[in-house]
Amino acid sequence: SYVLTQPPSVSVAPGQTARITCGGNNIRSKNVHWYQQQPGQAPVLVVYDDSDRPSGIPERFSGSNSGNTATLTITRVEAGDEADFYCQVWDSSSDLVVFGGGTKLTVL
Amino acid sequence: QVQLQESGPGLVKPSETLSLTCTVSGSSFSSYCWSWIRQPAGKGLEYIGRICTSGSTNYDPSLKSRVTMSVDTSKNQFSLKLSSVTAADTAVYYCARVKAEDYGDYLDYWGQGTLVTVSS
Repeated sequence: SYVLTQPPSVSVAPGQTARITCGGNNIRSKNVHWYQQQPGQAPVLVVYDDSDRPSGIPERFSGSNSGNTATLTITRVEAGDEADFYCQVWDSSSDLVVFGGGTKLTVL
Repeated sequence: QVQLQESGPGLVKPSETLSLTCTVSGSSFSSYCWSWIRQPAGKGLEYIGRICTSGSTNYDPSLKSRVTMSVDTSKNQFSLKLSSVTAADTAVYYCARVKAEDYGDYLDYWGQGTLVTVSS
C-alpha cells in the first residue's frame, strides 16, 4: 500500500512561514489534500488537489507538489494556526484513502 | 450548510459489535459517497472505508473482516458496524463526505466525531 511520510513536528515563530512536508513515492503523480485538526476538534480540509483552497480558508495556506514531496505552506503564522496537519492521497491500486502520520505545528 | 452528526453508544464491551450512525443534512445525500475514519487517542487518522448510495463499499484491508457499512437514503443516514471489538478499537470515530474526482477521493466535510470506548 502507498505510504505517506510526514515530520512529527514543525515549529515556527509568529509571523514567519511554516512548511510541512509530505513524502511519497512519485507523489507528484497524485493529488494531495491537507487537513488541519485543532485540539479537540474534527479535521478541516484546508487544501485540496495539491494547491486549491476551499471557501473560507485564508490565502495564507497554500500547497505544492513536486517529485516525491508535497508541501503545505502557511505564511504569516498565527498562534491560532497551532494544530495537527495531515496530508492525504488516494491510492488507486486499492481504491482507498491514505493519510500521512500527521505533523504537529507549534507556534513558538 | 453541510452538516454530519455521528450517534451511537459511547461504551461497547469487548467482543461485541460497535454500531454508529451518521446523519447528514444540507447536502444532496444521494450524489455522494460517505466515509468513516477513526482516531485513537493521541494518534493519527485511520481510514475505515467508504460507502456509496448505490450500496457499493470499500474497506481498509486491516478491518475488512470486521466492518460492515450500510446506507439509508430515506433518512439521509449511513452506518458503521465493527464486530468483535477489542480495546484497540477505542477511538474517536468520524464520519465524512467523500468528494470523488478522476484522480481520487478526498473528504470535504466531517462530523464532530464521537468517542467510543471498548471496556467491560
